[in-house]
Amino acid sequence: EAGVTQFPSHSVIEKGQTVTLRCDPISGHDNLYWYRRVMGKEIKFLLHFVKESKQDESGMPNNRFLAERTGGTYSTLKVQPAELEDSGVYFCASSQVSGSAAKNIQYFGAGTRLSVL
Amino acid sequence: DAKTTQPTSMDCAEGRAANLPCNHSTISGNEYVYWYRQIHSQGPQYIIHGLKNNETNEMASLIITEDRKSSTLILPHATLRDTAVYYCIVRVRSGAGSYQLTFGKGTKLSVIP
Repeated sequence: EAGVTQFPSHSVIEKGQTVTLRCDPISGHDNLYWYRRVMGKEIKFLLHFVKESKQDESGMPNNRFLAERTGGTYSTLKVQPAELEDSGVYFCASSQVSGSAAKNIQYFGAGTRLSVL
Repeated sequence: DAKTTQPTSMDCAEGRAANLPCNHSTISGNEYVYWYRQIHSQGPQYIIHGLKNNETNEMASLIITEDRKSSTLILPHATLRDTAVYYCIVRVRSGAGSYQLTFGKGTKLSVIP
């Protein structure tokens, strides 16, 4: 069974450009999460989808970040326009269901390393 | 903010058991303890979780004290590939109903040959 897949693995862009990160969750997982680690900081939650709906987007830093999950399958996270402080590693995770502890295990992808120059 | 406290770093000899402690003195009765690890440049990897009983799987054992205020992750025979940052996380439900994971600084475990 394929794990969580993220693309690209690394993106280098200039300040002011737009970047779109993609996450393909484990098949059948309704829950999809985005996290990020910026330089020197801890991994922080960004938002949570249940199928195509945003359950919790309290961690989104500002309106330059837009996450979508059309059709409830893969998700994209767009940063527009990118700023220097957006540099870091963006992780995606997925889980089967929300409530059950056993089935809410979040499995992470390898991450996308974003470098804004 | 993270609800757990872990030592910053630990060393363990290869082949020996690695015991990683975690304090979570403010844990509530229905909150689970999860352990993840992050090997350099990879995504966090799930290890194990528990509520009040001790748990064991193919990767590790989790010992939770009776008062649930602390726990210990045990890697029974540490290998060099177990060198990683280990995160102890108390899973909480956000106001929006989301079970997000709150990562702290974790414990940097170095397995020494």
